[in-house]
Formats: sequence, C-alpha cells, structure tokens
Amino acid sequence: DAKTTQPPSMDCAEGRAANLPCNHSTISGNEYVYWYRQIHSQGPQYIIHGLKNNETNEMASLIITEDRKSSTLILPHATLRDTAVYYCIVRGTNTNAGKSTFGDGTTLTVKP
Amino acid sequence: SAVISQKPSRDICQRGTSLTIQCQVDSQVTMMFWYRQQPGQSLTLIATANQGSEATYESGFVIDKFPISRPNLTFSTLTVSNMSPEDSSIYLCSAGRRETQYFGPGTRLLVL
Repeated sequence: DAKTTQPPSMDCAEGRAANLPCNHSTISGNEYVYWYRQIHSQGPQYIIHGLKNNETNEMASLIITEDRKSSTLILPHATLRDTAVYYCIVRGTNTNAGKSTFGDGTTLTVKP
Repeated sequence: SAVISQKPSRDICQRGTSLTIQCQVDSQVTMMFWYRQQPGQSLTLIATANQGSEATYESGFVIDKFPISRPNLTFSTLTVSNMSPEDSSIYLCSAGRRETQYFGPGTRLLVL
C-alpha cells in the first residue's frame, strides 16, 4: 500500500471549512484514497473514499488531484465535535475490503 | 455499514495473565482484523482473522502471544497472552464489507 504524508496538526474556527491535505505521491492506479477519523476514546470512523473523481457525502467532500498524488478532505462547516485525528489511507480494494495501514494522521482542533 | 461490538470494553489485568477479547459484527463479513493502538500512537495491524483457518500475522506479532480465533463470519476473539505492562493498549476489532472497513469501539487494557 502507498505511503501517505499528512501535517501533524491543524486548527480550524468553528463554522468554517476545514481543509485537510494528504500527499500520496506513490499511489498506484488501482489504489483508492480513504479517510477515517478517530475521536478521542473511540474507534476510527469511516468518512469517505474515492478513486479519481471528487466525492461528497453527508459528512465531507474529497477532492483528488488529477495526477492522484494528493487529496484534500473538506469538512464544510466544522463543529467542535469534529475535533479528532484524521487519517488518510491509500490501499487497493476489491469486492471485499482489505486491510488498512494507518499513518500518524492529522490532529484537527476546532476552536470556538 | 457494519456495527461492531467488543467485550470487554476495558480491563485491568495482572502481569503474567491472559485476556480474551471478543468481537461481534452485526452481519456476515468476509474480512476481520485486529489492531493495537498504544498510548498516544496510531493504529498498528496485528493480524487478519481468517474464518476456518489460522490467522495471518503482521511482522512483529506471533500466534503464541496473540492467538486469534474466527469460528464464523460474524465473530472473532483475540487473546493477549502472558501479559506485561508493555501490552497496555487499546485493542480494536475491524471488519470489511464491500470496499469499506469498519471499526469497533476498542478494548482498553491496562496491565499492572
């Protein structure tokens, strides 16, 4: 699985958009980009994933660059409850989810 | 999505003893995994729990220390054997459904 690079920490004002970057320059053609978050004392929570097109769901948007070497997770209106560690993971997939390798993630702190 | 429960949610154990952690998924899944998260660190994959066969362990983890069972498609156990204080961690069960991986709430283990 490709390695990812994320900033260790970011701050965001409540109500503003949080833009979390991820570099994955060694991604291969069949690998997806996944985002998870881990709120303190809980298990990781799936947020979104994509291959090459931008994706949006009720939680967030995922923007993947055309060369697929980087992506950005966007939380459009961050709330205090979005304070968490956000993990960007790149891995291949098939009809059955394979294992995920976690890096250090980005600690997002949403401030009032 | 998949709903995953773990028992116990937390425990305090004496060194030299063993603890078995149970993981239950709300419906059948193909892939199940066990992760460890040491204090202040990211998740590390211990092994893939294979239904009907021996688990597949990651580098640095061995069956004698972390025996795993998976008797069916919805249940798995992880045993932490002959515990030492260095085994104090959060142990997380994970299950894969389609393209996505889901996580349980974790078992917080403190070894004295």
